Amino acid sequence: LAKTTQPISMDSYEGQEVNITCSHNNIATNDYITWYQQFPSQGPRFIIQGYKTKVTNEVASLFIPADRKSSTLSLPRVSLSDTAVYYCLVVSYGNNRLAFGKGNQVVVIP
Amino acid sequence: NAGVTQTPKFRVLKTGQSMTLLCAQDMNHEYMYWYRQDPGMGLRLIHYSVGEGTTAKGEVPDGYNVSRLKKQNFLLGLESAAPSQTSVYFCASSDPGTGGTEAFFGQGTRLTVV
Repeated sequence: LAKTTQPISMDSYEGQEVNITCSHNNIATNDYITWYQQFPSQGPRFIIQGYKTKVTNEVASLFIPADRKSSTLSLPRVSLSDTAVYYCLVVSYGNNRLAFGKGNQVVVIP
Repeated sequence: NAGVTQTPKFRVLKTGQSMTLLCAQDMNHEYMYWYRQDPGMGLRLIHYSVGEGTTAKGEVPDGYNVSRLKKQNFLLGLESAAPSQTSVYFCASSDPGTGGTEAFFGQGTRLTVV
């Protein structure tokens, strides 16, 4: 399983755009980059997934450079309710194991 | 549509007692997982299953057993609970037909072993 590295924590002010980075230097050709969000006292929730370039949905955008050794999750105009732990995973399509690291604790400040 | 349901939500055990955590999913998913989450440790995979009748070990399987007798259910057993097993346990399921990368999680079971 490709290992990922994320900052442990970060703070952001309400209304700002938040960019959360993830390094995955050993990503394989058939690996996808997947992000999850976990609120306190809840299970993680799938946010977005991508293979290369940019993916956008109603929650976030995911930017993946050409070498795919890193990725950036972008949350537009965060609110206090976006305070959560964000996990970056590298997963092979059809893989039967999802390995979560420690994630990145994002705290949104009023 | 309930998704993934875990039973019970809370439990206190004495050291040496046994118990079973039940996970049920109604999405017809083939893959199911059990994770534990400790403060500052993220989620660690205990056991997983790729289909009815199959189970496999994850990162931290010691002290736990699992069974997948029915496709919709995944049971996690603690034969002799230890204080080190105090944790929040999460069950999840995913569909290999869509890549298996989008997992749906239950609400968690908070277990305390005293």
